[in-house]
Amino acid sequence: ELKVEQNPLFLSMQEGKNYTIYCNYSTTSDRLYWYRQDPGKSLESLFVLLSNGAVKQEGRLMASLDTKARLSTLHITAAVHDLSATYFCAVASFQGAQKLVFGQGTRLTINP
Amino acid sequence: GAVVSQHPSWVICKSGTSVKIECRSLDFQATTMFWYRQFPKQSLMLMATSNEGSKATYEQGVEKDKFLINHASLTLSTLTVTSAHPEDSSFYICSASRSDNEKLFFGSGTQLSVL
Repeated sequence: ELKVEQNPLFLSMQEGKNYTIYCNYSTTSDRLYWYRQDPGKSLESLFVLLSNGAVKQEGRLMASLDTKARLSTLHITAAVHDLSATYFCAVASFQGAQKLVFGQGTRLTINP
Repeated sequence: GAVVSQHPSWVICKSGTSVKIECRSLDFQATTMFWYRQFPKQSLMLMATSNEGSKATYEQGVEKDKFLINHASLTLSTLTVTSAHPEDSSFYICSASRSDNEKLFFGSGTQLSVL
């Protein structure tokens, strides 16, 4: 059974600081997603990572994937308040590339 | 870009009534759609896979007679919560993609409150 674990689950940080969210998964998968969710809203797609060593960057967010270690990271550079949200990683199960198992989510609060 | 529309955005109903939630792919055909449930401050849990023209596949622990899924066309899947009870109150989200190799798009979600 595929399990996905994120840490930390809660993160409070100051603007301008850097931090990393980690996503570990238990079985082999060929794709990993990162999503953002604002309170009461649906999911916004951030990144899809398809291969070992993949790195993608958008603004202050950068995601990477190490399939051998079954680990993905979401790095936040020089955080700003607008990045406050809950971030989920999700891993495609072997039963289908679109059938996702989600991590618990990391609730990120960025303080001025 | 591709858009997945979900309706309604929120619904309040009395215990024992049924509620239907629609998920539409607006500019692409989706042979497969997925339904998730999210309780407050928790993650998303897959409920079922909706397959166009065939029966839905339910995840373990999800009552198929309570959560009826119909995928009658390539652009529409519906989830009906039958005989809703307060414990069914949750945020329901659908997702779809054009093909297996493309990213998933999520609907806007439906907040269901059962009184």
